[in-house]
Parts: sequence; C-alpha cells; structure tokens
Amino acid sequence: KAGVTQTPRYLIKTRGQQVTLSCSPISGHRSVSWYQQTPGQGLQFLFEYFSETQRNKGNFPGRFSGRQFSNSRSEMNVSTLELGDSALYLCASSFRLGPTNEKLFFGSGTQLSVL
Amino acid sequence: KQEVTQIPAALSVPEGENLVLNCSFTDSAIYNLQWFRQDPGKGLTSLLLIQSSQREQTSGRLNASLDKSSGRSTLYIAASQPGDSATYLCASRMEYGNKLVFGAGTILRVKS
Repeated sequence: KAGVTQTPRYLIKTRGQQVTLSCSPISGHRSVSWYQQTPGQGLQFLFEYFSETQRNKGNFPGRFSGRQFSNSRSEMNVSTLELGDSALYLCASSFRLGPTNEKLFFGSGTQLSVL
Repeated sequence: KQEVTQIPAALSVPEGENLVLNCSFTDSAIYNLQWFRQDPGKGLTSLLLIQSSQREQTSGRLNASLDKSSGRSTLYIAASQPGDSATYLCASRMEYGNKLVFGAGTILRVKS
C-alpha cells in the first residue's frame, strides 16, 4: 500500500511569487491535513480537508489556501510568497474526520525555500 | 490554547542505555497523544498513540505513558541503538477540532 506522496520534494521560489504543493493521501483515506514546519515555530497546523470541504483552519494569513479533489488528493497554495514562508510543508492523511484514535500518516514533505 | 513542551531539547547517550523523553501539556482535554519520530529532512513516522482513557502503550523497545491529570506523557526507549537517533515529537489531539498540537521535539543521538 503506497504511503502519502507529496510533490515536489524541493522548491525554490522568489518573494512575491506563488506556489502550489500537492499531496496524494493513502488510498481510501479521505482526510488530508497540512502542517508547516520551521526551526523557529516548529510544526503548526494549516488546515484540514475532508470530502472536498475545509473542516478546520489554523492561524495563517489568507495567502495560504488549499483544496481537495474528489479523489481526495489535496493541493495547497501560497500566494505572494514572503521569506518567512520558507519551511517544510507536511501533509498527513487519515481515513476518518476526527477527532479519532487513528494514527496520522505523514508524507516526506515539500521543502520550500523563498529567496 | 494548548501548549506542548518537550524536555530535554537534546539528548546524547551511549548505545545500550535506557532513556526517557518527557512531554507536558497545559490542557488536559486531550482526545489522544501521539509520539512521532522524524529523521532529518523527512516526514513524521507515528510510533505510538495513547488514547485519553489509556495509561500506556508499548511497541517493541518503546513504551509511552500518559497521565492526563498531571498533563504529562513519557516515551521510554529501552536498550537504545544508533538507529534510534532522530527527533522525537509528541503531539496532542484535542477533543475539540481535529488538529494536532506539537511539541518542539527532542533531538536524540545514540553514540556507538
């Protein structure tokens, strides 16, 4: 069974540009959540999608958005990139919308560098 | 607002030593608590999940305990090996909402 797949693995962008990251969850999983990891702030929750609907959102500006498709694949978009957006973006999937006692399965992440 | 703290921030031990990683949280209204491992530049691997009604979970050389009333969890690693070197993160899932609130992690180095 394939794990959570995130593409691309690495991205380099310049300030002001926009970026789209992709996440394919484990087959059969319908919940996809996104986290940002930085050395200073650690892991912070961005948002969660279930059945194509955003169910929960963290404290990030509106420049951060996402969506989920009917096959449960998810994308997140960051517009007008800032230097502080440089981070490892992690996607996690689970079968149910929680809270649940399921383990979350994480992808390897997309490392975004903003120059 | 839930805050999760992990102590120590870093730990270096010789191979074969037993060790304990600590995690504390401020809001006891947790649904469960998970321990993850992260290798450099990689995603997270779930190690153990303790439900709020449970006191501990075991997997191989790993044992995690949970004391909701005191807001603490510990991860015990027996007979540590160099391959255990990684960052260990604890995360609480709250009863309200579905997000995980993570600690900053403990960087573990096991020396051969």
